Amino acid sequence: DAGITQSPRHKVTETGTPVTLRCHQTENHRYMYWYRQDPGHGLRLIHYSYGVKDTDKGEVSDGYSVSRSKTEDFLLTLESATSSQTSVYFCAVGEAGKQETQYFGPGTRLLVL
Amino acid sequence: GENVEQHPSTLSVQEGDSAVIKCTYSDSASNYFPWYKQELGKGPQLIIDIRSNVGEKKDQRIAVTLNKTAKHFSLHITETQPEDSAVYFCAASSPGSGNTGKLIFGQGTTLQVKP
Repeated sequence: DAGITQSPRHKVTETGTPVTLRCHQTENHRYMYWYRQDPGHGLRLIHYSYGVKDTDKGEVSDGYSVSRSKTEDFLLTLESATSSQTSVYFCAVGEAGKQETQYFGPGTRLLVL
Repeated sequence: GENVEQHPSTLSVQEGDSAVIKCTYSDSASNYFPWYKQELGKGPQLIIDIRSNVGEKKDQRIAVTLNKTAKHFSLHITETQPEDSAVYFCAASSPGSGNTGKLIFGQGTTLQVKP
């Protein structure tokens, strides 16, 4: 898993509650990405980071925010969870100069009731 | 923006047979095409990739071919084994996004290898 851990691995929450997912990497990769995986949609990019405090939106960013205060940690926050955000969330990393070559973490399964 | 279509959505083969999964992309400026294998309950694992200056790449039983003119690329698995059973995803780089490393993924192919 390229030194990537995600926490929690499973979470059940209720509509309207805030949720934060954490991605932690140990190999000092500059680029980090958050994807969601849903049946029939493959993997879709939510947000990404190209350095500490440098982040930008992906294709499905509505309802999500991110923060990166340290190289090793990339946080994804659902400000007010909705049932449509029930999904499996994957973090990925890429190294500078080859950032499109991405390595994925084990995922977090989120259920919003 | 870039769009990636992947076929078939499911594929069943007998052990020892070959399997081929095809993807098409829309943006001729895309220049990087990785393939991922995802086993149940795990994250996608990069198994092979190809850049646009190469037509074919092999790694033991797997190979990827790229046809830039037709804008499609394919994953070939020979001598399939039960442990090849998984979901496979293709992806293409998103050239309109600058140097961000953004990838656009296909919808996935579930490969079943029957013993």
